[in-house]
Amino acid sequence: DAMVIQNPRYQVTQFGKPVTLSCSQTLNHNVMYWYQQKSSQAPKLLFHYYDKDFNNEADTPDNFQSRRPNTSFCFLDIRSPGLGDAAMYLCATSRDNSYEQYFGPGTRLTVT
Amino acid sequence: SQQGEEDPQALSIQEGENATMNCSYKTSINNLQWYRQNSGRGLVHLILIRSNEREKHSGRLRVTLDTSKKSSSLLITASRAADTASYFCATDEGTNNLFFGTGTRLTVIP
Repeated sequence: DAMVIQNPRYQVTQFGKPVTLSCSQTLNHNVMYWYQQKSSQAPKLLFHYYDKDFNNEADTPDNFQSRRPNTSFCFLDIRSPGLGDAAMYLCATSRDNSYEQYFGPGTRLTVT
Repeated sequence: SQQGEEDPQALSIQEGENATMNCSYKTSINNLQWYRQNSGRGLVHLILIRSNEREKHSGRLRVTLDTSKKSSSLLITASRAADTASYFCATDEGTNNLFFGTGTRLTVIP
């Protein structure tokens, strides 16, 4: 079935140790998003790609980077995770602007 | 902040009852969407209502939109235990960003 896949589902990393989260989609959607969601809070958009065009939210820390090597894959790199970066990271896709978004199951990141 | 607010923050009802959640937002929108999130999982899109629409139905879901009041409501009829989840409204201002509300935690008691 067409879907959005995130790996790993759970990730534990040490304070300051770089970590990469991955997302893949079989929907062939143009847009891919990364959200951060902390406990009992709304998802917060970090950045998105429209095709290869990268769009960073103004308040996304420089510690967070993203790569989209092709239509299907998108990566979230956290260069030096801090304790405050512990959260659920959600990847989503949409066909185009102003369409519904399809979310992956999320990666829960723990920073020790 | 562009984030919407939802009311109530938490709602507990008996199975078979109707559940109503409200969302208020601050800016002009292209559309408004509702999503469901089961605990510890990703979000699932429920329904999208465009700014020129006032009401939309999908199965047991009914969504209304009042752009003059900048508010929307989600009604779930004949609730089931499986409807237990958090429900988020999200506004689309046409910038390809979705701004999520604070969410309503719904518990349906069997």
